[in-house]
Amino acid sequence: GQQVMQIPQYQHVQEGEDFTTYCNSSTTLSNIQWYKQRPGGHPVFLIQLVKSGEVKKQKRLTFQFGEAKKNSSLHITATQTTDVGTYFCAVPGGAQKLVFGQGTRLTINP
Amino acid sequence: DTGVSQDPRHKITKRGQNVTFRCDPISEHNRLYWYRQTLGQGPEFLTYFQNEAQLEKSRLLSDRFSAERPKGSFSTLEIQRTEQGDSAMYLCASSSTGVNGYTFGSGTRLTVV
Repeated sequence: GQQVMQIPQYQHVQEGEDFTTYCNSSTTLSNIQWYKQRPGGHPVFLIQLVKSGEVKKQKRLTFQFGEAKKNSSLHITATQTTDVGTYFCAVPGGAQKLVFGQGTRLTINP
Repeated sequence: DTGVSQDPRHKITKRGQNVTFRCDPISEHNRLYWYRQTLGQGPEFLTYFQNEAQLEKSRLLSDRFSAERPKGSFSTLEIQRTEQGDSAMYLCASSSTGVNGYTFGSGTRLTVV
């Protein structure tokens, strides 16, 4: 079945530093979604990317979909303590279901 | 509408007992999903409903698991003869045609002792 690799598994940064997480698939994707899960919370939808090479921004967050539609990245500029959590990418796994990556857990030193 | 509601938030049960969880999706959403999440992992798909029809069920779901969505509204997930390996967070999510992304509930954390 569909699988997606997400790296790194963990990332610890100083507040104000940038952060990037990457998601890779061996197959071409129709779209990719990103979610954030705060500690003790549930996943919250951030964005969906559909087009090859697409770049979308949400304040300090920049999402990119690769030209070949096999990879994606989420970049956070100048992290803040509110950015702490685990970031998941999710890809279509057939029918209407999503397959989630393992996630990148972001911790921040204030 | 306040989003997706799940009940209970926590459940501790003895091995071998049956448990049932409830999910109330966003009322306008016709799709409902159950996922399971263990510590340090991403959510794993269990099953999916479109309206009242269960359209897909993961191979992860053994015969001890059953889910229903009568009348296409709320859904229940039952686990019979629970085992310690069933301990996890059970997440419900809903979505709708033309809406991007899932809306997840807060989950039910199951601990089997």
